[in-house]
Amino acid sequence: DVKVTQSSRYLVKRTGEKVFLECVQDMDHENMFWYRQDPGLGLRLIYFSYDVKMKEKGDIPEGYSVSREKKERFSLILESASTNQTSMYLCASSFSDGLTWGYTFGSGTRLTVV
Amino acid sequence: DQQVKQNSPSLSVQEGRISILNCDYTNSMFDYFLWYKKYPAEGPTFLISISSIKDKNEDGRFTVFLNKSAKHLSLHIVPSQPGDSAVYFCAASPMASGSRLTFGEGTQLTVNP
Repeated sequence: DVKVTQSSRYLVKRTGEKVFLECVQDMDHENMFWYRQDPGLGLRLIYFSYDVKMKEKGDIPEGYSVSREKKERFSLILESASTNQTSMYLCASSFSDGLTWGYTFGSGTRLTVV
Repeated sequence: DQQVKQNSPSLSVQEGRISILNCDYTNSMFDYFLWYKKYPAEGPTFLISISSIKDKNEDGRFTVFLNKSAKHLSLHIVPSQPGDSAVYFCAASPMASGSRLTFGEGTQLTVNP
């Protein structure tokens, strides 16, 4: 089974801090994604990457950046954390078995900015 | 612009009965659809998918129906079990494998014993 591991389950950070959320997948997948989940809004795409050193903006990239230096690792960076970035952050990598494809998600990081 | 909509934030059913979760989409480029299930404090897990060349796909207790002309899909769970209580998200994409998925808002399903 593909494993997508997010380094922290819960984080509390102060307003203005730089925050790093780490995600690692173990199946050599090329495509990786960062979403945030908020009640009533579903999952919204922040950034994604189709290969090492490549990144694409999603629907809500403002206030975020990403880094993909190695294929297995995709990091989300909050340049200066704000309270409206309090959310559940979900990392995913894309799988395919020839018949179906989809995402495998990590367990999520619940970030609280105070 | 919400391209994938789940109009029911919540649904409550009795154990053993059918659960029907609905999803509508607006983007005619979408031709691949998925359902995910999410428990609190966990990441979503893949349930079932369907491509636009089919109108039905079954996997055990889960069946997804697609009505392309109405831009509507539904997930049927029969029989419903208390362990099915979770938030269900539908998602859509153009068919190309690995494309970005667009998710709906989610429906909280509660199955009562």
